Amino acid sequence: NAGVTQTPKFRVLKTGQSMTLLCAQDMNHEYMYWYRQDPGMGLRLIHYSVGEGTTAKGEVPDGYNVSRLKKQNFLLGLESAAPSQTSVYFCASSFPGNNSPLHFGNGTRLTVT
Amino acid sequence: GEDVEQSLFLSVREGDSSVINCTYTDSSSTYLYWYKQEPGAGLQLLTYIFSNMDMKQDQRLTVLLNKKDKHLSLRIADTQTGDSAIYFCAENLKSFKTIFGAGTRLFVKA
Repeated sequence: NAGVTQTPKFRVLKTGQSMTLLCAQDMNHEYMYWYRQDPGMGLRLIHYSVGEGTTAKGEVPDGYNVSRLKKQNFLLGLESAAPSQTSVYFCASSFPGNNSPLHFGNGTRLTVT
Repeated sequence: GEDVEQSLFLSVREGDSSVINCTYTDSSSTYLYWYKQEPGAGLQLLTYIFSNMDMKQDQRLTVLLNKKDKHLSLRIADTQTGDSAIYFCAENLKSFKTIFGAGTRLFVKA
């Protein structure tokens, strides 16, 4: 039981390049999320999904796209990376319901130069 | 608006108690959580409290909730060096909406 797995762990991009961050969970969770973590700002929700084939915008969606083609996978794409997207990105998943805590991956550290 | 605030740093001596405080603004939250983040890792759920409870104890952890003042605290008894981490307070507003504080970095001095 691996939980939530994110790849890659680290990445350096040049401004304007694109990339996709991969997230996989093996807990049969319906909900999946992408957060970014910046110093002093906690976690901010980028996009989330409440089921296969569905996605929705979170607090800071601009510059990112997502896809949930399979229940266990949630992909985060950056089409044209900017230095402001330098951050640590966390994927999380949960069951539906108010008392369903989030299960997090170990994060992807992205630097955009 | 929805906001969760907590102090950024706390330093204690090994064996002492640590108290990490948090305030939140949205009174509609149903569950409030404490997550722990160790270096290079994601957040892990530490404990939680339902909004109609005042206190919850779980081994060395005590969570106190003052709903009138919208204040949540986490007490760690007999703090150990392995407790050094960042602790996040979070409130759950809807099943897909969790608001996180900025995190309190706990330093434990031997």
